[in-house]
Amino acid sequence: AQTVTQSQPEMSVQEAETVTLSCTYDTSESDYYLFWYKQPPSRQMILVIRQEAYKQQNATENRFSVNFQKAAKSFSLKISDSQLGDAAMYFCAYRRMEYGNKLVFGAGTILRVKS
Amino acid sequence: GAVVSQHPSRVICKSGTSVKIECRSLDFQATTMFWYRQFPKQSLMLMATSNEGSKATYEQGVEKDKFLINHASLTLSTLTVTSAHPEDSSFYICSATGLDGSSGNTIYFGEGSWLTVV
Repeated sequence: AQTVTQSQPEMSVQEAETVTLSCTYDTSESDYYLFWYKQPPSRQMILVIRQEAYKQQNATENRFSVNFQKAAKSFSLKISDSQLGDAAMYFCAYRRMEYGNKLVFGAGTILRVKS
Repeated sequence: GAVVSQHPSRVICKSGTSVKIECRSLDFQATTMFWYRQFPKQSLMLMATSNEGSKATYEQGVEKDKFLINHASLTLSTLTVTSAHPEDSSFYICSATGLDGSSGNTIYFGEGSWLTVV
């Protein structure tokens, strides 16, 4: 079974600074998706970024980028120029490529942004 | 992007009664829906996966007779908590995915529902 590990229960970052959230996963599949979701206090799950395992290029969405190391099964999220609105719980998630498969979530990392 | 609506957002019920939570895909056909439970400061715990027109597949440890899931149409799935008890109080979230061109193979989440059993 696939597992996702987020080893940082909480992280803090100063406003305008950069922070990296760690995620490792375990799978025997060669093709899959990886995601980072943000869950603010409203509890709405917001997709931050998505990476297809067959793509070597790291995904980027504005201030959010990932460092995808397939051999090491590592998928970290870098948030640049952190803003107060980035404060939330962040979940790393894995999904097999076949249609209809579930998301497997990590335990989450609470990110606090200091002004 | 595609929208998934969950209702009610908050519900309080008396112990021993049943309560139903709805999850609707508003602009795509949701062939597969997922129901999660989330405790404070914890991750999402998958309860079951439902495919339209089929019986739901429950995760290990989830009581199927207590958490009834129905996915009778391509736009609606319901979770009914039967004979609710205070320990069932939690945040429940649904998500959906479909084959519609607008949704592709992406999973979209509802807003979640807070259940309080008193």
